[in-house]
Amino acid sequence: DQQVKQNSPSLSVQEGRISILNCDYTNSMFDYFLWYKKYPAEGPTFLISISSIKDKNEDGRFTVFLNKSAKHLSLHIVPSQPGDSAVYFCAASTSGTYKYIFGTGTRLKVLA
Amino acid sequence: DADVTQTPRNRITKTGKRIMLECSQTKGHDRMYWYRQDPGLGLRLIYYSFDVKDINKGEISDGYSVSRQAQAKFSLSLESAIPNQTALYFCATSDRDSIFSGYTFGSGTRLTVV
Repeated sequence: DQQVKQNSPSLSVQEGRISILNCDYTNSMFDYFLWYKKYPAEGPTFLISISSIKDKNEDGRFTVFLNKSAKHLSLHIVPSQPGDSAVYFCAASTSGTYKYIFGTGTRLKVLA
Repeated sequence: DADVTQTPRNRITKTGKRIMLECSQTKGHDRMYWYRQDPGLGLRLIYYSFDVKDINKGEISDGYSVSRQAQAKFSLSLESAIPNQTALYFCATSDRDSIFSGYTFGSGTRLTVV
């Protein structure tokens, strides 16, 4: 049973436009959420996080939104750049467990 | 040097062979994890360890075993490799106080079982 789902396996966006990556979860006990970015032949790297006490967190071009009632989070990248082309994973955790459950990933391609 | 080093980077092995994947870290983190990545399935947790004397099974531990030889070293073994264990394997670490910043991952080991 997939507790964290990324329903779009891939996404293509023009350079300079907004990229929106979505993630849904089923476990209402999750209270920490992260996004990771992964380039080929490298391990995932941490991008941005949000806790359940917030509904938005920004870091430069990256913003994560959390809708707890819908059990949905999204990552917005504005403006998108070709270097943002990568696989993006969302991950969720329940405080005290120190384990993250990952989604299946979305491959983002930013077209120049 | 990388903070989290995995060896080997690539390995091809035969069905039934025993194989060990190694992970070492210089972050000084207490917590270490092994994940595997499969197309369409994302990253799934195999085993994790919160300190040298603490080993826990993850979502998909069958067919795997681990050893935490030291705070900095965490090895994953496939006792008798089978083709559906072909995957990309990642080791990760986290600090006890940094759950909010997630893990530091190694670069991965691509394992092929033929």
